[in-house]
Amino acid sequence: ETGVTQTPRHLVMGMTNKKSLKCEQHLGHNAMYWYKQSAKKPLELMFVYSLEERVENNSVPSRFSPECPNSSHLFLHLHTLQPEDSALYLCASSQDIGSGANVLTFGAGSRLTVL
Amino acid sequence: GQNIDQPTEMTATEGAIVQINCTYQTSGFNGLFWYQQHAGEAPTFLSYNVLDGLEEKGRFSSFLSRSKGYSYLLLKELQMKDSASYLCAVRDSNYQLIWGAGTKLIIKP
Repeated sequence: ETGVTQTPRHLVMGMTNKKSLKCEQHLGHNAMYWYKQSAKKPLELMFVYSLEERVENNSVPSRFSPECPNSSHLFLHLHTLQPEDSALYLCASSQDIGSGANVLTFGAGSRLTVL
Repeated sequence: GQNIDQPTEMTATEGAIVQINCTYQTSGFNGLFWYQQHAGEAPTFLSYNVLDGLEEKGRFSSFLSRSKGYSYLLLKELQMKDSASYLCAVRDSNYQLIWGAGTKLIIKP
């Protein structure tokens, strides 16, 4: 059991559905991240939040909408997705962003399949 | 552009030693990380190198040469539970993490 919990672990949705992924961290960290992991490809950073402020948005399509209501919770709202959005979505947290070792603690991910 | 290269897949025998290489070309350098990811699980932190040389942590060691843009992860006395993907990541001058695609390590008895 890591200090970062993601739900649901698996999600199947149609292209017209609206769903949300949830991430919760119990580590007292100030920064939270959404990553996309596709088979045999590098991790793709999607969004970064520091103290509930979005500090990074890596040209992610608007069909992905993040929300960070407090420093312990992070959501990824999904709507009108495409089949190529099928992937493992990883949430991570770290003490802060930037300098030092700044180790990321990851959740186990939400496996998304878009039909 | 920025790039991290590591082998896609490696196979090794239980009890042996394996070295997983990582080469990088990035805009600046502020540290190199190795993470382990078992299938269906979260990536977990293994090591962090910011200065040249070898960092040893039990059966795992990580080496860095900044002048060569090169690192390796050395796993000794391999166990079946070491079967996993190993991810190399470099933090660039903007403190962005650049990730490799990962090396899938298969351990055979």
